Amino acid sequence: KNEVEQSPQNLTAQEGEFITINCSYSVGISALHWLQQHPGGGIVSLFMLSSGKKKHGRLIATINIQEKHSSLHITASHPRDSAVYICAVTTGNQFYFGTGTSLTVIP
Amino acid sequence: GAVVSQHPSWVICKSGTSVKIECRSLDFQATTMFWYRQFPKQSLMLMATSNEGSKATYEQGVEKDKFLINHASLTLSTLTVTSAHPEDSSFYICSAPAGGPSRTQYFGPGTRLTVL
Repeated sequence: KNEVEQSPQNLTAQEGEFITINCSYSVGISALHWLQQHPGGGIVSLFMLSSGKKKHGRLIATINIQEKHSSLHITASHPRDSAVYICAVTTGNQFYFGTGTSLTVIP
Repeated sequence: GAVVSQHPSWVICKSGTSVKIECRSLDFQATTMFWYRQFPKQSLMLMATSNEGSKATYEQGVEKDKFLINHASLTLSTLTVTSAHPEDSSFYICSAPAGGPSRTQYFGPGTRLTVL
């Protein structure tokens, strides 16, 4: 059983669509991270959350601590958003990572 | 599924000493591995890309002579923090892509380094 589960695993969207990626976790956490990885590259940290909601440009991340659930939203999606999005949580002593959501945005 | 391990999981050392952290892909080969660090209450930051058979590629601002990376085989990369100082205390994490069309990254559990 994975401590962090993401859905969907793969997602294809048309340019301009609103996209949601979900993350559920089963451990007590001190923070949750949303990470982005473009093909062949290392990860880029998008957000670090411990409560509530954060927004950066067209990206919005929310977390519900009681439900142990987080969502990453992309508004007005663009082909350059095509990447793998990874949810990761830290308990303070260890990191747990989801296996990622592969997003393809078609022009 | 693919697994990446790190050793040690935590280490405490005196200032001025060197510390080696190992990253292993347990059931797949990885020609590339990535090293990250996270300072308290901050996000993960990519330090360098480890390449099997060639030199590592370091991100801007990361001292290559201080953070020595050796990708000894297709399943092992090591990060050596040389002459460690208290400001090097951090959480160090590695990842490796398992191959395939999506090149999914698999992450190690991390190594917590505390320099006294």
